[in-house]
Amino acid sequence: DVKVTQSSRYLVKRTGEKVFLECVQDMDHENMFWYRQDPGLGLRLIYFSYDVKMKEKGDIPEGYSVSREKKERFSLILESASTNQTSMYLCASTPSQDQETQYFGPGTRLLVL
Amino acid sequence: AQSVTQLGSHVSVSEGALVLLRCNYSSSVPPYLFWYVQYPNQGLQLLLKYTSAATLVKGINGFEAEFKKSETSFHLTKPSAHMSDAAEYFCAVSLWAGGFKTIFGAGTRLFVKA
Repeated sequence: DVKVTQSSRYLVKRTGEKVFLECVQDMDHENMFWYRQDPGLGLRLIYFSYDVKMKEKGDIPEGYSVSREKKERFSLILESASTNQTSMYLCASTPSQDQETQYFGPGTRLLVL
Repeated sequence: AQSVTQLGSHVSVSEGALVLLRCNYSSSVPPYLFWYVQYPNQGLQLLLKYTSAATLVKGINGFEAEFKKSETSFHLTKPSAHMSDAAEYFCAVSLWAGGFKTIFGAGTRLFVKA
């Protein structure tokens, strides 16, 4: 079974803090994604990566950055957290031979005070 | 632009009743279509996917979905709801755009009454 893990299930941070969300997958997938999930809006793509040290902006990249130094790890960074970044963050990965199907981690629920 | 519309943000059914969750998509090319399920405090997991092999797709937990090209729909059904089906369901399309891009619907929360 594919396993995608996220470093924290719940996180509480203060406005202005730098926040790191980590995602690790154990199936050697090439592609990794970060989404945020908000009620009534579904999932919106923040950033994605098709290879190590490669990143592409998604639909809502403002206020976020990412890092992919190793194939199995994809980090989402909030440089200066704001209250409107309170959300559920979901990481996903896909293999090159089945790129259309996404495998999700359990999510990190972030609260910015 | 491609989009996915789920009709009804909340659906409530009685245990044992038919479940019908509606999804319509817009796409200029035949897409891959998916239903994902999210149980409370968990990530999304794949329920079923359509890849053009057959228009009626069977998934896990007794769910199935039918692709209707003329209606651009991919509705999810289950003949008899169970309490454990209470969750949020997301319809999604994946399209090739230099890499696969997945677009999700807003989600439908299913409530199952005893």
